[in-house]
Amino acid sequence: RKEVEQDPGPFNVPEGATVAFNCTYSNSASQSFFWYRQDCRKEPKLLMSVYSSGNEDGRFTAQLNRASQYISLLIRDSKLSDSATYLCVVAETGGFKTIFGAGTRLFVKA
Amino acid sequence: AAGVIQSPRHLIKEKRETATLKCYPIPRHDTVYWYQQGPGQDPQFLISFYEKMQSDKGSIPDRFSAQQFSDYHSELNMSSLELGDSALYFCASSFRGRSDEQFFGPGTRLTVL
Repeated sequence: RKEVEQDPGPFNVPEGATVAFNCTYSNSASQSFFWYRQDCRKEPKLLMSVYSSGNEDGRFTAQLNRASQYISLLIRDSKLSDSATYLCVVAETGGFKTIFGAGTRLFVKA
Repeated sequence: AAGVIQSPRHLIKEKRETATLKCYPIPRHDTVYWYQQGPGQDPQFLISFYEKMQSDKGSIPDRFSAQQFSDYHSELNMSSLELGDSALYFCASSFRGRSDEQFFGPGTRLTVL
């Protein structure tokens, strides 16, 4: 079993749709959680950190459920420019070792 | 703003050759992380350095070694290259080991023939 698991998708949604991605992690001692975005052949870029209380940044909302070891990302009002691969990332205590999920591909169509 | 610099951007090597990848972190960043991303794969954590000391180790093969120098740049040395080493190698940097503020470089694409 992989340490961080995501549904690879792809998710094909129309512009304006709301889409949610889920991620589970196996190490209960994990301390830090993030969502990264990666465009084709480009480097991953931090989208947002995920806090226990949940956090929102514009159209993006991240949630963490430590009891279920589950992280989610909700994208509202999808834009064409949201098309990318979304990577769930978990860092162990101390934060030096970061584990990436396989990524979920999103295609937003006009 | 200055970003993470990686060189070379592209590298082609033959099997059993050696390769050295370089990473120059964002100014003032003291932590460097190396990742390997194969085609269609997620980035795999290889190794990290904080203040010139190895801070953590992931799935880095024994044929690979890395270090961080006094100016905080890092080099990944790869020996006895295999076809399976063909991948995109990313370097990321952060300040004081803060993994939530990792900034990635553009990557080095290594092709082993």
